[in-house]
Amino acid sequence: SQQGEEDPQALSIQEGENATMNCSYKTSINNLQWYRQNSGRGLVHLILIRSNEREKHSGRLRVTLDTSKKSSSLLITASRAADTASYFCATNTGGFKTIFGAGTRLFVKA
Amino acid sequence: GAGVSQSPRYKVAKRGQDVALRCDPISGHVSLFWYQQALGQGPEFLTYFQNEAQLDKSGLPSDRFFAERPEGSVSTLKIQRTQQEDSAVYLCASSPGGQAKNIQYFGAGTRLSVL
Repeated sequence: SQQGEEDPQALSIQEGENATMNCSYKTSINNLQWYRQNSGRGLVHLILIRSNEREKHSGRLRVTLDTSKKSSSLLITASRAADTASYFCATNTGGFKTIFGAGTRLFVKA
Repeated sequence: GAGVSQSPRYKVAKRGQDVALRCDPISGHVSLFWYQQALGQGPEFLTYFQNEAQLDKSGLPSDRFFAERPEGSVSTLKIQRTQQEDSAVYLCASSPGGQAKNIQYFGAGTRLSVL
């Protein structure tokens, strides 16, 4: 079973546009992380936001966290063809498990 | 290499065969995770090691799955009597700290196909 649910499942945009992906989860968390996975590769960590933070930025990435709604969003600004990948949110609830969502598949057209 | 290394990258097994998948974590990393990723899905947690201790194996699907990390570095995931539903990508990740909430560094995975 997966705690995180990403929305949309797939997203296709033009280069230069912004991409927004959402993640909802079910139980209280320590932190929430976003990872990227290129086809046939392992996951790469993008950004971590703690449960007491509301917003975080890293380059063209902006992550928000709303613990009252148990949701997070990842915004990629000025997208590039190289951003084409699957994006996963991952949560840790304090134990040893990290729970990943099913992912959003982003396709950026050049 | 500086990253997490997994071998083999691809494994084809006949149903009923045993397989062993290897993970070389980043040197010095305390935590090691195994995940199973089905096509089009996110990684599903299998098991967690802190050094050589297997602290959580709640995600292992059946007793055909066994993982070990005897010296606290290299880890092996073994699947006995493979079945078609075991076909997936098996990902290994390591983390420097002894907690599961930290950033994880992933290997490229082993794609297992059971015929």
